[in-house]
Amino acid sequence: QLQLQESGPGLVKPSETLSLTCTVSGDSISSSFYYWGWIRQPPGKGLEWIGTTYYGGSTYYNPSLQSRVTISVDTSKNQFSLKLTSVTAADTAVYYCARDYDFWSGPARRFDCWGRGTLVAVSS
Amino acid sequence: DIQMTQSPSSLSASVGDRVTITCRASQSISSSLNWYQQKPGNAPKLLIYAASSLQNGVPSRFSGGGSGTDFTLTINSLQPEDFATYYCQQSSTTLTFGGGTKVEI
Repeated sequence: QLQLQESGPGLVKPSETLSLTCTVSGDSISSSFYYWGWIRQPPGKGLEWIGTTYYGGSTYYNPSLQSRVTISVDTSKNQFSLKLTSVTAADTAVYYCARDYDFWSGPARRFDCWGRGTLVAVSS
Repeated sequence: DIQMTQSPSSLSASVGDRVTITCRASQSISSSLNWYQQKPGNAPKLLIYAASSLQNGVPSRFSGGGSGTDFTLTINSLQPEDFATYYCQQSSTTLTFGGGTKVEI
């Protein structure tokens, strides 16, 4: 059974870099079928896609965050990671990792398995 | 970006009711529309993908419809565990989500 688990600091200072890791269990992150994504949700608000990666190195980012975001994969640890630079209070959110399924299928592309999420607060 | 507008933003319903939530895209997205359910403190859960396909393990009382710009999520015979917030999400271009619909008692 596929499981995803986010980890990382729960508090980041303004202007610093937010770094999170998603550990995948129950399947190989190197499977040729799957892509892997990050989504965030500010407290009491809606969902925002951050970006998606593939084990081969391809990455796709939300244009609104692209200048500050890096997503990478570590196949040896079956993990993928998120880095968000120059954070402000507006980056305070629950951050989720998820499997971005059927990435190239068009209409059938969806997030079918999610981690439980981790709250990251940006504050001095 | 394609904007996704859900209506209503909240609704009150009773167990056994039939509930319909609407999602409208700012431009045509064909059938590239997913629906998620989120309960407080939990991650979203995929219910419907490609506008009308039921995700494995999701009860058949959930159904989705529509294409182009107008979509619906229908819950037949609302159950106590269905009280939650529902989000639509388009996968036609840069992924975007609707603002959510909270289904309350």
